[in-house]
Amino acid sequence: EPEVTQTPSHQVTQMGQEVILRCVPISNHLYFYWYRQILGQKVEFLVSFYNNEISEKSEIFDDQFSVERPDGSNFTLKIRSTKLEDSAMYFCASRNRDEWNTGELFFGEGSRLTVL
Amino acid sequence: AQSVAQPEDQVNVAEGNPLTVKCTYSVSGNPYLFWYVQYPNRGLQFLLKYITGDNLVKGSYGFEAEFNKSQTSFHLKKPSALVSDSALYFCAVRDAGTYKYIFGTGTRLKVLA
Repeated sequence: EPEVTQTPSHQVTQMGQEVILRCVPISNHLYFYWYRQILGQKVEFLVSFYNNEISEKSEIFDDQFSVERPDGSNFTLKIRSTKLEDSAMYFCASRNRDEWNTGELFFGEGSRLTVL
Repeated sequence: AQSVAQPEDQVNVAEGNPLTVKCTYSVSGNPYLFWYVQYPNRGLQFLLKYITGDNLVKGSYGFEAEFNKSQTSFHLKKPSALVSDSALYFCAVRDAGTYKYIFGTGTRLKVLA
């Protein structure tokens, strides 16, 4: 069964460093998302991406964050200068465009980011 | 703006008993509603969705959910709980006019043997 894959599974970084989290969405999916979950609690929307551009973003997704789909298969989230409060589990998700554009999201297993 | 509420942080139920996990939502347009389950240190797994049509939708692992437009609710149910159903459950809503899916705060289900 096709799945969303994320790397790394865990990254530890120093405050102020840049981090790139990578995702390979399901191959025929057209919509891509990043969410984060702090301490196993609320799942927060960060950004959605469609047709090579951001379609929506949340207040969390400020200038320190960026997304890219560099080669038609990978979908990356970059945090330019990490803060302690960026420590979280980051989930990538993707979905296809069905007839009514009502598809569910398929999630990866997550990348745990720890900022020291 | 769209939002979703899960009023219970935790639900405890005895194995074999029916379970209900509550969810209410708020959207400006037509809602698309979803339930996901998360096991420890794992990603979210899709259980079921309501888009239109029959108010009772059936999903994976024997779960079902009932859409109630007048009460703006979408409660998750299962007739007979299993210990293996113990997990974190998330309700999510997407307004038909947007891209983003908004998740509730999650309800931890504990099924006791």
